[in-house]
Amino acid sequence: GDSVTQMEGPVTLSEEAFLTINCTYTATGYPSLFWYVQYPGEGLQLLLKATKADDKGSNKGFEATYRKETTSFHLEKGSVQVSDSAVYFCALKKSSSASKIIFGSGTRLSIRP
Amino acid sequence: SAVISQKPSRDICQRGTSLTIQCQVDSQVTMMFWYRQQPGQSLTLIATANQGSEATYESGFVIDKFPISRPNLTFSTLTVSNMSPEDSSIYLCSVESGLNTDTQYFGPGTRLTVL
Repeated sequence: GDSVTQMEGPVTLSEEAFLTINCTYTATGYPSLFWYVQYPGEGLQLLLKATKADDKGSNKGFEATYRKETTSFHLEKGSVQVSDSAVYFCALKKSSSASKIIFGSGTRLSIRP
Repeated sequence: SAVISQKPSRDICQRGTSLTIQCQVDSQVTMMFWYRQQPGQSLTLIATANQGSEATYESGFVIDKFPISRPNLTFSTLTVSNMSPEDSSIYLCSVESGLNTDTQYFGPGTRLTVL
């Protein structure tokens, strides 16, 4: 069945470090791919998305490129801030509107000042 | 994107009781979804709720335990019945909004603790 695998955390970085959180997926067809972020004590916020191969989603300095050849959607940021500390979820959704979102297990990111 | 609110934001309940969680959206939406996030875990879909029809439950979730109402296009409730400590979780509703039917937007969640 369809699934999402993301790197296990926790990930701890110093402020201004480069961030990569790996995400790979297994799915038939052409799913849309998402990164959601959950800040401490809050619900999920959509961070960015990509709907077809080679699309790049970007928001708040974060980027991810939909790579169909490697079935990947890695999240990157060039210079992280303490305020980026959160749990990040990679997810996929099939094209039909009634289909559910399949989430990865989440990666907890902590940024040291 | 839609603006979604949930009530209550958190609650502490006794074993054996029931809690009803409300989800309100600022625009009319066809599909609403209820998720559970157990402590330190990812999100699991409980059910999908269409207005005017019975909710569709995922494997492992049953209507007697998690009854859902969807009386109109902007509102839904999820009840957690006969609670046990294992039901302690964050419960989130989400919607597909407008033309972006490939994207779901989430409410802030209801943090439930069962003693």
